[in-house]
Amino acid sequence: DAGVIQSPRHEVTEMGQEVTLRCKPISGHNSLFWYRQTMMRGLELLIYFNNNVPIDDSGMPEDRFSAKMPNASFSTLKIQPSEPRDSAVYFCASDKTGNQETQYFGPGTRLLVL
Amino acid sequence: AQKVTQAQTEISVVEKEDVTLDCVYETRDTTYYLFWYKQPPSGELVFLIRRNSFDEQNEISGRYSWNFQKSTSSFNFTITASQVVDSAVYFCALSADNAGNNRKLIWGLGTSLAVNP
Repeated sequence: DAGVIQSPRHEVTEMGQEVTLRCKPISGHNSLFWYRQTMMRGLELLIYFNNNVPIDDSGMPEDRFSAKMPNASFSTLKIQPSEPRDSAVYFCASDKTGNQETQYFGPGTRLLVL
Repeated sequence: AQKVTQAQTEISVVEKEDVTLDCVYETRDTTYYLFWYKQPPSGELVFLIRRNSFDEQNEISGRYSWNFQKSTSSFNFTITASQVVDSAVYFCALSADNAGNNRKLIWGLGTSLAVNP
């Protein structure tokens, strides 16, 4: 079975540009998580969805960040406008809703904002 | 408050040595789950193990073993006869129940393990 798929794997953009990160969860998983990893802050949960509905977005840094999950097999994380401090690795993870099911991670998107 | 502490920031060993990575957690919940993930230099996060708070049995998987002790709130990870391919950052994480609605993983800052030939 395919794991979590993320695209692009690498993104270099200039400050002020819009960035869209994409994620396809594992088939059959109904929870999806977006994380950001930086050296300074480690792994941070940005938002998670359950059955396509955003449940907790308290980790979203500010209004420049938005996430959507239009269907069970696709989610986007958008940054508009991007800033250099958004440079990080962004991970998507999915699991089956149960009770603390195991989250499986995608390969990540390495974002560099110049 | 929930917290995960991985006191060892970096560990360096020589191949074939045994190494233990420490993880101490804090939670007031009686039902919780503990996880270990591995992040090799390639960057992906690989799930290693999940343990729930009611199961204190130690786990062994090949060269990997985990020691869960509720009395000391610890969930330590030991690699026996380490190999260069074990070089990675290892993360410990906690998920507590909170009436079944808490899906967040609380992460430690990770321990970077370097296994030298």
